[in-house]
Amino acid sequence: AQTVTQSQPEMSVQEAETVTLSCTYDTSESDYYLFWYKQPPSRQMILVIRQEAYKQQNATENRFSVNFQKAAKSFSLKISDSQLGDAAMYFCAYRSGHTGTASKLTFGTGTRLQVTL
Amino acid sequence: KAGVTQTPRYLIKTRGQQVTLSCSPISGHRSVSWYQQTPGQGLQFLFEYFSETQRNKGNFPGRFSGRQFSNSRSEMNVSTLELGDSALYLCASSLNVGQETQYFGPGTRLLVL
Repeated sequence: AQTVTQSQPEMSVQEAETVTLSCTYDTSESDYYLFWYKQPPSRQMILVIRQEAYKQQNATENRFSVNFQKAAKSFSLKISDSQLGDAAMYFCAYRSGHTGTASKLTFGTGTRLQVTL
Repeated sequence: KAGVTQTPRYLIKTRGQQVTLSCSPISGHRSVSWYQQTPGQGLQFLFEYFSETQRNKGNFPGRFSGRQFSNSRSEMNVSTLELGDSALYLCASSLNVGQETQYFGPGTRLLVL
């Protein structure tokens, strides 16, 4: 079974600074997808970024980028120019890439990000 | 395009009762997955439906069930509620199973007294 580990329960960053959230995962599969979701106090899960394991290039979405290290099974999220609105719980998630299989996401325990002035 | 909608948003029940939660996926999405979120267990997969068929089920007792209708709307039912069923229930939809990204609804917060 796949597992996802987020070792940082809480992180804090000053506005306009950069912060990196860590995520490691364990799988025996070669084809899979990794995601970062954000959950603000409203509790709505919002997709931040997605990475396909077969792609060597790290995904980026505006101020959000990932450092995907497949051999090390590491998938960290970097938030640049942090804004107050980035304050939320961040979840790392894994999904198998086997075609036709269920879309089950396996989540980490989350990292609560605080953004200070 | 409207996002995933879930009704009701909040619900209070007592032990032993049953509850039905509803999820309407994004238009055109055919796969619906359900997750339970609690402070103690985190986010756990309940089940997934595609084309009115359950494709996968998480490690939950038989009291948890679901179904999907021909318009892709989905319902989940919890019978004989227990205190431990208090949670945020999240629904997510995707175009198809497999490679598609899941988009989440706002959730239904269930409190069992």
